[in-house]
Amino acid sequence: QSALTQPPSASGSPGQSVTISCTGTSSDVGDYNYVSWFQQHPGKAPKLMIYDVNERPSGVPDRFSGSKSGSTASLTISGLQAEDEADYYCSSYAGINNLIVFGGGTKLTVL
Amino acid sequence: QVRLVESGGGVVQPGGSLRLSCAASGFTFVSYGMHWVRQAPGKGLEWVAFIRSDGRSKYYGDSVKGRFTISRDNSKDTLYLQMNSLRGEDTAVYYCAKDIRGGGYSFDNWGQGTLVTVSS
Repeated sequence: QSALTQPPSASGSPGQSVTISCTGTSSDVGDYNYVSWFQQHPGKAPKLMIYDVNERPSGVPDRFSGSKSGSTASLTISGLQAEDEADYYCSSYAGINNLIVFGGGTKLTVL
Repeated sequence: QVRLVESGGGVVQPGGSLRLSCAASGFTFVSYGMHWVRQAPGKGLEWVAFIRSDGRSKYYGDSVKGRFTISRDNSKDTLYLQMNSLRGEDTAVYYCAKDIRGGGYSFDNWGQGTLVTVSS
């Protein structure tokens, strides 16, 4: 069982928006603004899409955005494209004793 | 650009040992903390270990504490993971990842991974 809770699946049609949630506790997501989101295509390494809740690394399209409210973080992908179909994982800093925790992952299907 | 290349994976019997390496290039290795993250077949990501840039502080996930040791050689730009007392549940692709700024908060670059299979 993962420390952070994500829905196992999500879907949307091309051009639509989809939001994936990531629920933690007051010891991780709720206590630190160090939530990240990763995209992983089959057989590939994860790729950082969002860090520090809502910051985008260079090269990541602005269709990807992040937010947080209390102990729940969210990734929103607007203007869905076929290449967005992938697994998405959230992570959060969780303090000195358990450094980083992950969500179980969400499989995004572009219909 | 940042490049991380893992090696050392393979098949090992339960109770055995293995040492993974991660050769880094394209950034100032000595300035960044480094992580190991693993992914069991068909499963999600699991953080394994983190080492600060100077190698003095190390942190481990509960499932590997006491069995795995993370280390680094800043003169060789190389990260290591010594894995002892291996179990079937350690079977996974092991990724090395560069910390986003050095404090152990997240990862901005990942290697391609190396597969470790623990089986008799």
